[in-house]
Amino acid sequence: DIQMTQSPSSLSASVGDSVTITCQASHDIGNFLNWYQQRPGKAPNLLISDASNLKTGVPLRFSGSGSGTDFTLTISSLQPEDVATYYCQQYDDLPSFGPGTRVDF
Amino acid sequence: QVQLVQSGAELKKPGSSVKVSCKTSGGSFSRYTINWVRQAPGQGLEWMGGIITHFATTKYAQKFQGRVTITADKSTSTVYMDLSSLRSEDTAVYYCTRDLSTTTWGHAFDLWGQGTTVTVSS
Repeated sequence: DIQMTQSPSSLSASVGDSVTITCQASHDIGNFLNWYQQRPGKAPNLLISDASNLKTGVPLRFSGSGSGTDFTLTISSLQPEDVATYYCQQYDDLPSFGPGTRVDF
Repeated sequence: QVQLVQSGAELKKPGSSVKVSCKTSGGSFSRYTINWVRQAPGQGLEWMGGIITHFATTKYAQKFQGRVTITADKSTSTVYMDLSSLRSEDTAVYYCTRDLSTTTWGHAFDLWGQGTTVTVSS
């Protein structure tokens, strides 16, 4: 099984801040990684697929990078609606998620 | 616009089974995969398994093998997730989610149902 870790587990930031979340895989997964946003009380929402492909309609302040075992999600200018938990998910093997990073103000 | 609409909340006794449905509306039922992901209270996301709707091919996470069954009814565009031998640790919100890939499990979960709360309590 491929294990996913994320850091930090939570962070507090201000409107306009740049925020970076990291995700690490226990094995090389190439670019087989997605990022999801889950707002409180809602279903998750796909933000980025294949490590860096922004889903249509997702604001350009979100970006993803990385390959192999180390990945990052960056929010360039944090907005109030970005308060959420963010999860990475690998699909090199049967899918598994990271534990999540909670972002608030 | 395609939507995934799930059945309502369930309260179950330990040892019983639950069957949650996920109906596709507003679009084609075939040519993609429906997966089930659950989330225990205050916890993260956990993939349980999925079904390629056109071929009824299933794949399950090792953790749930023997306890979960996922089926599809093409006539009603509905996918079902049946979880047996329920215990308190199965209390969670259960989501169905669509993956447009039929060759790679979990390629991208691009559409989600609203979630179904299953509570297991005596």
